[in-house]
Amino acid sequence: GAVVSQHPSRVICKSGTSVKIECRSLDFQATTMFWYRQFPKQSLMLMATSNEGSKATYEQGVEKDKFLINHASLTLSTLTVTSAHPEDSSFYICSARDPDGRTWDTQYFGPGTRLTVL
Amino acid sequence: GNSVTQMEGPVTLSEEAFLTINCTYTATGYPSLFWYVQYPGEGLQLLLKATKADDKGSNKGFEATYRKETTSFHLEKGSVQVSDSAVYFCALSTDYKLSFGAGTTVTVRA
Repeated sequence: GAVVSQHPSRVICKSGTSVKIECRSLDFQATTMFWYRQFPKQSLMLMATSNEGSKATYEQGVEKDKFLINHASLTLSTLTVTSAHPEDSSFYICSARDPDGRTWDTQYFGPGTRLTVL
Repeated sequence: GNSVTQMEGPVTLSEEAFLTINCTYTATGYPSLFWYVQYPGEGLQLLLKATKADDKGSNKGFEATYRKETTSFHLEKGSVQVSDSAVYFCALSTDYKLSFGAGTTVTVRA
């Protein structure tokens, strides 16, 4: 159980275009999902917390107009990188929290999406 | 604020060697502590966790004990295998948000 998927796994786009990344919890309902960014050989940096049915909460320094998050259902959150530029190239990872049972404090991670902006 | 400091790598070991990765933390309140592992080309997987002082988390031969007095959560394994080669992240959680350490790359050679 507790499987999180992401789509696509890799995406290459031209500078100035927008890219949407999907994060799904496959076997549980996730009222809260999280979006992280990971630079090569570095740790994960939390970008935002996505709450179903409400606006996302962004961490300090993250541009909310650039990284649009929509958590429209209990199993799907999307991250849209708008007007992407080469510096947005990174590994984007989502996670979901299962609010039930003994694992209430545990996040389950998706496999990540490698974004390359040319 | 919350922060996690873990031993810098990379760490290279021979098979069956003892592995320890140090992790210390600073947090407000009473955090839950985690070790996540990232195998090459894969996403993060929960390895083990502990939710209160003196709890010991264990999984796949790995162990870590929540030490409140030293604010530590060191990861240990008595006999590593080549398949344990991965990046290991120590993390803490308060208010459902995770704060990660920098990660330690471990390579086990046959």
